[in-house]
Amino acid sequence: GENVEQHPSTLSVQEGDSAVIKCTYSDSASNYFPWYKQELGKGPQLIIDIRSNVGEKKDQRIAVTLNKTAKHFSLHITETQPEDSAVYFCAASNLRNTGNQFYFGTGTSLTVIP
Amino acid sequence: EPEVTQTPSHQVTQMGQEVILRCVPISNHLYFYWYRQILGQKVEFLVSFYNNEISEKSEIFDDQFSVERPDGSNFTLKIRSTKLEDSAMYFCASNTPGRQPQHFGDGTRLSIL
Repeated sequence: GENVEQHPSTLSVQEGDSAVIKCTYSDSASNYFPWYKQELGKGPQLIIDIRSNVGEKKDQRIAVTLNKTAKHFSLHITETQPEDSAVYFCAASNLRNTGNQFYFGTGTSLTVIP
Repeated sequence: EPEVTQTPSHQVTQMGQEVILRCVPISNHLYFYWYRQILGQKVEFLVSFYNNEISEKSEIFDDQFSVERPDGSNFTLKIRSTKLEDSAMYFCASNTPGRQPQHFGDGTRLSIL
């Protein structure tokens, strides 16, 4: 099955700096890669996603890049703010599978220092 | 914006007891999922459910687990005889067929004593 690795496990940045979180996946059949933000006591909330037919996607301060050849994808947050502090999870999925399950990374705890 | 709602937010149960976790998916969604997250670990897939049957299940989802959609709005996860290692956050998620993403609820924290 699919195996998703995520690095780093913790990340501290100064407010205004950029943060980058990286994930790798093992199954070349995976074609959908969402990123979720999880705040304390809450469920994961989607922040951005990308499909395998696209190399990059941007939404304001958040961007995701995908390298299918190398099987890795990254989350970039620019101009970080204290409210960006949370745990971020990457995931991979093969939308052609009827079960449609997500395989999650181990999470990155991001702290933005004011 | 519509939300996935889960009840209770925290469930404490004695080992060996049955527990039912409840979810109300977003109303026009037809795919339903359960995931769990052991403290400090990754979110793990348990089961997906579509058209009143299980679509896929992981090896975690053994005979002690079952899911049901008892009516048009609820989606439940039952653990028949709980074990200490079942202690985790359990998340319900839903989406419409062919459309992403999966929307997650805020979870039920299950504590087995």
